Amino acid sequence: QVQLVESGGGVVQPGRSLRLSCAASGFTFSRFGMHWVRQAPGKGLEWVAMIWYDGSNKYYGDSVKGRITISRDQSKNTLYLQMNSLRVEDTAVYYCARDVDRFFDYWGQGTLVTVSS
Amino acid sequence: QSALTQPPSASGSPGQSVTISCTGTSSDVGGSNYVSWYQQHPGKAPKLMIYEVSKRPSGVPDRFSGSKSGNTASLTVSGLQAEDEADYYCTSYADNNSWVFGTGTKVTVL
Repeated sequence: QVQLVESGGGVVQPGRSLRLSCAASGFTFSRFGMHWVRQAPGKGLEWVAMIWYDGSNKYYGDSVKGRITISRDQSKNTLYLQMNSLRVEDTAVYYCARDVDRFFDYWGQGTLVTVSS
Repeated sequence: QSALTQPPSASGSPGQSVTISCTGTSSDVGGSNYVSWYQQHPGKAPKLMIYEVSKRPSGVPDRFSGSKSGNTASLTVSGLQAEDEADYYCTSYADNNSWVFGTGTKVTVL
């Protein structure tokens, strides 16, 4: 069965960096685009970034553009999100999700990132 | 990338129907057949309920249906059940290679 397991969240000071990981299993990872979606405490969902199945194209939401990089390691079946210059407003649960023709069919359980001094 | 507009809340008694609207622009909902809906229970990950405006994934009850007219998409839950009480989010693929979510609607089963 499809499984997506995020890790790497934690408490970090403003201005610092953090890298999130999403380990995929139960499907051929290299055939699917992948997304990161976040949800601030008590708030709605916000799309963060997307990477094509082969890593050749990457797209970012306006609020994170220039500070966040999405990448993937096909050999490790793992998706990454490198977050730099973190801000308090980046505090959220970060979900990875699989893309199937522009919708998200499977989601991980999320990892919490708290940006606080 | 402004969020799509959804009503903050909706409610109905068991067995009744509730419809949630999702309003965007011609750059997203109005110009895209890639509108999807997600159900989220507290503390849980979102779950896909509708994709490509009106298609249901296997395993999703046929009580859930989707439609679109112009810049507004809608999700209807017929025959409300207690387990349908959750937050619901729409999303649309937009014409600049991005995705935009709705503001979310809390559905309460009275």
